[in-house]
Amino acid sequence: SQQGEEDPQALSIQEGENATMNCSYKTSINNLQWYRQNSGRGLVHLILIRSNEREKHSGRLRVTLDTSKKSSSLLITASRAADTASYFCATASGGSYIPTFGRGTSLIVHP
Amino acid sequence: ETGVTQSPTHLIKTRGQQVTLRCSSQSGHNTVSWYQQALGQGPQFIFQYYREEENGRGNFPPRFSGLQFPNYSSELNVNALELDDSALYLCASSLTAGELYEQYFGPGTRLTVT
Repeated sequence: SQQGEEDPQALSIQEGENATMNCSYKTSINNLQWYRQNSGRGLVHLILIRSNEREKHSGRLRVTLDTSKKSSSLLITASRAADTASYFCATASGGSYIPTFGRGTSLIVHP
Repeated sequence: ETGVTQSPTHLIKTRGQQVTLRCSSQSGHNTVSWYQQALGQGPQFIFQYYREEENGRGNFPPRFSGLQFPNYSSELNVNALELDDSALYLCASSLTAGELYEQYFGPGTRLTVT
C-alpha cells in the first residue's frame, strides 16, 4: 500500500511560473522526503524534512510540512524546462526509516 | 549522477524463468535497498540489506530474494517470473540504516517478462 499520495497527478505550466505539488499521508511519520525522477530513470533526492520541522529550502525548492493536516507541499519557483519530471513524496513512519512512496506528480514545464 | 550503478540496463525474460539483477553501491555506503516500480506507479519497497543482512522486507513473495556482499554490492534474484514482474527495478544505497538517511538511486534495470 502507498502511504503518501501526491496531488495533482499531472501539472502543466509555462517556464518561469511556480509549480506546487502536494502530498497527503495517513499515519504519523518520522520524516518526509521529496524525490525527482526523469523519464523512468533513477530517483534523485531533493529534500528531507523531519516531523519536527515546518519548512525547508533548497535553491528554488521550498518544502512545507503540516503534521496536523498530515500533508506536505513542494514549491518549485521560477520553473525551467529542465524541471520536467515526476515528483514523488516518500514517508517513513513508526519504528521504520524505510520510505514508502506515493504515485507521484508528473510535471511538464513548457519552454 | 550518483555513484550507484546497476546492471543490466534492460532485460527480457520469459515467464517461469529466473533473473538476477546487480547493484554496486556508492563508496562508503553499507546499506542497499531494492524497489520495484511498475509503469505509472511509485517505487514499492522490496527489501533492504545492511552489512550483508536483510534489514526489512516489503510485501513481496519469497521468490524475490537478495544478497549483499562484503563490498556492499547487492543482487536481487527473482524466481519463477510472472508477467506482473515486468517493471523498473531500482536499487538505492545509503550511508547506513536505522536512522534518517538520504538514498542514492541507481538508474534502474528495466525487466520485461513475456
